[in-house]
Amino acid sequence: GESVGLHLPTLSVQEGDNSIINCAYSNSASDYFIWYKQESGKGPQFIIDIRSNMDKRQGQRVTVLLNKTVKHLSLQIAATQPGDSAVYFCAERAGAGQFYFGTGTSLTVIP
Amino acid sequence: DAGITQSPRHKVTETGTPVTLRCHQTENHRYMYWYRQDPGHGLRLIHYSYGVKDTDKGEVSDGYSVSRSKTEDFLLTLESATSSQTSVYFCAISGVQRTDTQYFGPGTRLTVL
Repeated sequence: GESVGLHLPTLSVQEGDNSIINCAYSNSASDYFIWYKQESGKGPQFIIDIRSNMDKRQGQRVTVLLNKTVKHLSLQIAATQPGDSAVYFCAERAGAGQFYFGTGTSLTVIP
Repeated sequence: DAGITQSPRHKVTETGTPVTLRCHQTENHRYMYWYRQDPGHGLRLIHYSYGVKDTDKGEVSDGYSVSRSKTEDFLLTLESATSSQTSVYFCAISGVQRTDTQYFGPGTRLTVL
């Protein structure tokens, strides 16, 4: 199957700082990518997505960057807040609509 | 959770017993999915459905069966639960095409003793 991994399993940031969470994907044919946020005891929550014909997409306090050359995806969270503490994972859509999910990075925001 | 409910939310059962998990959606989405989530693994697809009575296997389908008799309900059955099926199970839905973004339910934590 596909391999979608993350560079760092845990990340701690000070409240108010910016956070960057990284993801490497393996299938150069993947055409769509999603970042999910998962709080403890809850289901994954859609944050932001990006298609492979884009390099950058911005949402509210979040930005996703896609570097197809090195097959790398990142999620930037501006002015990180305690409510941002969660596990973040990426998903890539490969052929035939199959999604593959990363294992996640645990983000802890220090007040 | 995008109009998706799962029941039960927690269940403890014994090896060898049958277990059925239910996913209910109010979005009228065509596609429904069952995933399991385990430490050290990303979400792994068990089965999915692309319409009433239309289902297909995912990458970890052994030991599981599914049924979809109504658009809004998707059932996952463990015919004879094993300890290796202890996991958190998530239901997801997507719209018109399988390639559409998937939205997840709150999950069911299943423990098989």
